[in-house]
Amino acid sequence: NAGVTQTPKFQVLKTGQSMTLQCAQDMNHEYMSWYRQDPGMGLRLIHYSVGAGITDQGEVPNGYNVSRSTTEDFPLRLLSAAPSQTSVYFCASSRDRINYGYTFGSGTRLTVV
Amino acid sequence: AQRVTQPEKLLSVFKGAPVELKCNYSYSGSPELFWYVQYSRQRLQLLLRHISRESIKGFTADLNKGETSFHLKKPFAQEEDSAMYYCALSGYGGSQGNLIFGKGTKLSVKP
Repeated sequence: NAGVTQTPKFQVLKTGQSMTLQCAQDMNHEYMSWYRQDPGMGLRLIHYSVGAGITDQGEVPNGYNVSRSTTEDFPLRLLSAAPSQTSVYFCASSRDRINYGYTFGSGTRLTVV
Repeated sequence: AQRVTQPEKLLSVFKGAPVELKCNYSYSGSPELFWYVQYSRQRLQLLLRHISRESIKGFTADLNKGETSFHLKKPFAQEEDSAMYYCALSGYGGSQGNLIFGKGTKLSVKP
């Protein structure tokens, strides 16, 4: 099992560019989420999905888009990058969010200049 | 409102000293509590789940519903415990099953 795999690990974007952060899991987990981690802010939920074809907004969804066409994949799209989106992004998956917690990917460190 | 509060941004102790990382929560419902650990520039790892009542790497945490707390404790800190620790909660109520994180406490264990 690879667990949760995120690509790329590092990315530099110019303001206004768009890109997709990839996330894949091989554990057949129904639940997947995207978080951003900023110093002093902890982790904040961007978007989440409770199964293929179902997504919903988290705490900080503006400027991001997601889709869940398969159980395995949950890409995060930045529509028009802004410096405020400079952050570390973590994807996570869970088979049972309440009792078992989440498995996290290794993160994508994004810098927007 | 759902909230997790970790009052200490930084906790510094000497090797062999006891450690207590504080976590308080507010939640409309019956939450499940977790502790996650993040070593330098690595992914978050699940350290403890309230529901399992286990001890991992010498750490324990007890849920106190009266004080709405879930403090993480270890009797004798080791240098390898230096990391960022996040308290988090989940539940069927306001969080809709998603994890709500505190802002984290950085633990530094000095030799």
